[in-house]
Amino acid sequence: EAQVTQNPRYLITVTGKKLTVTCSQNMNHEYMSWYRQDPGLGLRQIYYSMNVEATDKGDVPEGYKVSRKEKRNFPLILESPSPNQTSLYFCASSLEGMGGYTFGSGTRLTVV
Amino acid sequence: AQRVTQPEKLLSVFKGAPVELKCNYSYSGSPELFWYVQYSRQRLQLLLRHISRESIKGFTADLNKGETSFHLKKPFAQEEDSAMYYCALSGHYGKLTFGQGTILTVHP
Repeated sequence: EAQVTQNPRYLITVTGKKLTVTCSQNMNHEYMSWYRQDPGLGLRQIYYSMNVEATDKGDVPEGYKVSRKEKRNFPLILESPSPNQTSLYFCASSLEGMGGYTFGSGTRLTVV
Repeated sequence: AQRVTQPEKLLSVFKGAPVELKCNYSYSGSPELFWYVQYSRQRLQLLLRHISRESIKGFTADLNKGETSFHLKKPFAQEEDSAMYYCALSGHYGKLTFGQGTILTVHP
C-alpha cells in the first residue's frame, strides 16, 4: 500500500531532550515536507526537500533540523525541544512537487 | 512570497444548503492550487486540484486569476461533509503553502 509512515504517533518529552520523528514513504517520491498544525494557525511548513541532499527552510524552521540522506526517509530532529514546539506534526510527500501531496497520520508531540 | 488566505475560520450550514468555502491567494507566477480535507482525527487528504478540473464528492473549485481566488463550492451539503478544509498553493520547488483552514459544520 502506498503510504507515508510517521513514528511515533504520540510522544511526550521533557524540555531539552533531543528527539527525532521519523518519516518514510514507499512511493519513490522526490518531494517531502514537514508541517506543524496548531489551532487557529492552520498548517505551517517547517522544512521541505526536493530530493536527496536537497532541503530548504519553510516558514517556521527555528528549532528544527532535517536530513535527506535517502530518498524514502526525511526525519525531523528537535535538538533541544521547548514547550512552544508542542504541536501536531505531519510529514508529506509528492512525486512532482507541483502536484498533490500524500500525508502521514501525524505525530502529536507534547514538550513539558 | 506565496500566501493563502481563508477568511472564514468557521462555517455552518444546514444539510441540503449550498456551501462555499473562500480561498484567496498571492503568488507572482502561475499557481497550482489545491483543496485538502481533514476529517475528525484523520490525516489530510487531497480533495481536488485545479488543473484536473474534476469534481470530487460533489465539490468543485474554479480558479479565478483576476480575483486571485479558488473558492470551493458544493450545491447541496451533506452531514458527512463536516470537516476541516484547507486551501493550498504549490509554488517554487514544490513548496506547498496552506491557508489557516475553515471548519465546516453541516447541521441535520
